[in-house]
Amino acid sequence: NAGVTQTPKFRVLKTGQSMTLLCAQDMNHEYMYWYRQDPGMGLRLIHYSVGEGTTAKGEVPDGYNVSRLKKQNFLLGLESAAPSQTSVYFCASSYFGPFGSSPLHFGNGTRLTVT
Amino acid sequence: GESVGLHLPTLSVQEGDNSIINCAYSNSASDYFIWYKQESGKGPQFIIDIRSNMDKRQGQRVTVLLNKTVKHLSLQIAATQPGDSAVYFCAENISPTDKLIFGTGTRLQVFP
Repeated sequence: NAGVTQTPKFRVLKTGQSMTLLCAQDMNHEYMYWYRQDPGMGLRLIHYSVGEGTTAKGEVPDGYNVSRLKKQNFLLGLESAAPSQTSVYFCASSYFGPFGSSPLHFGNGTRLTVT
Repeated sequence: GESVGLHLPTLSVQEGDNSIINCAYSNSASDYFIWYKQESGKGPQFIIDIRSNMDKRQGQRVTVLLNKTVKHLSLQIAATQPGDSAVYFCAENISPTDKLIFGTGTRLQVFP
């Protein structure tokens, strides 16, 4: 099993450009999440989904949008990138949830730099 | 390169010794705790979890201890190996809002 797969692994954007980060999981998990990781801070939740066709805001949702059209995929979009969105983005999934029922399984991240 | 933190607390241990990594959590309503390991350039990897109705749980070479009185969590790694070198962080789930809070982590360095 591949687990949670994120693409791309690296990306550099100019301010104002848009992009979509892709996440796929093959564990048949209902719950999926997008986090960002910045130096000196714990992982912060951007958006999450409790099932196909559903999405919800997390702790830091501004500037991001998400879609969960298929159970196995969770997409994170940046409509107009800003330097403050330079970060490492992690997708995660869990069998039970959200959050307090079972551990999250993470992908290996997308390193995004916005210049 | 490493992106978790520039000034993380660091624990240096000799190969073969036992390691103890500590985590203070913030909320007495937290009911579920998870330890993760993150190697450079990779995503967090689940190690072990524990619920608040337990005070100890063991896995393969790892033990998690939970002290609810002082809101303290620890991860013990037996016979530490070079492959254990990574950043370790805890996460707490705050009930009933089900908000998962991640710590910033401790860097474990294993030297021969």
